[in-house]
Amino acid sequence: EIVMTQSPATLSVSPGERATLSCRASQSVSSNLVWYQQKPGQALRLLIYGASTRATGIPARFSGSGSGTEFTLTISSLQSEDFAVYYCQQYSHWPPITFGQGTRLDIK
Amino acid sequence: ELQLVQSGAEVKKPGESLKISCKGSGYTFTNNWIGWVRQMPGKGLEWMGIIYPGDSNTIYSPSFQGQVTISVDKSISTAYLQWSSLKASDTAMYYCARISTLSRPIFDYWGQGTLVTISS
Repeated sequence: EIVMTQSPATLSVSPGERATLSCRASQSVSSNLVWYQQKPGQALRLLIYGASTRATGIPARFSGSGSGTEFTLTISSLQSEDFAVYYCQQYSHWPPITFGQGTRLDIK
Repeated sequence: ELQLVQSGAEVKKPGESLKISCKGSGYTFTNNWIGWVRQMPGKGLEWMGIIYPGDSNTIYSPSFQGQVTISVDKSISTAYLQWSSLKASDTAMYYCARISTLSRPIFDYWGQGTLVTISS
């Protein structure tokens, strides 16, 4: 099973600043990586797939990069609605499909 | 509008059975796999399994194989997750999610979640 590790667990950033979230795989997943956003009381939202392709309707301030075992989600200029929990997920070697433990993005 | 609408919150006792549902609309239900994901209180996401509504082909996570049953009724565009004997450790939020038309396990639409509470 591929273990996904996200860091940091919590990230505090001011609105308008850049946020950088990391996700590491225990072995190479090529570019088979997804990022999701979770907000309280809302359905999870697909942000990025294929490590760097934005899903439909996702603002350009969200970008994904990386391949192999190291991945990054960058939010270029944080808006108030971006404060949420973010999860990465690999789909290279499955079953099982595995998620990271999440990074909580808080307002500083 | 594409939607996955899940059944409401449940409170059950240990040992009881339960079946929760996820109804898809706004797309051809039989064309996309549907998955279930568990989120225990204060924790991350855990993949439980997926089902293809077209032929009920099901793939379980090894962690959940034998613990739950995933099924579907394609005539009413609804997927199910069921337990035959609940445990306190089954207390969690459960999400259904659709796998994208890319046919890779990418969940492009999610239900709102069903909170299951098991308490004696």
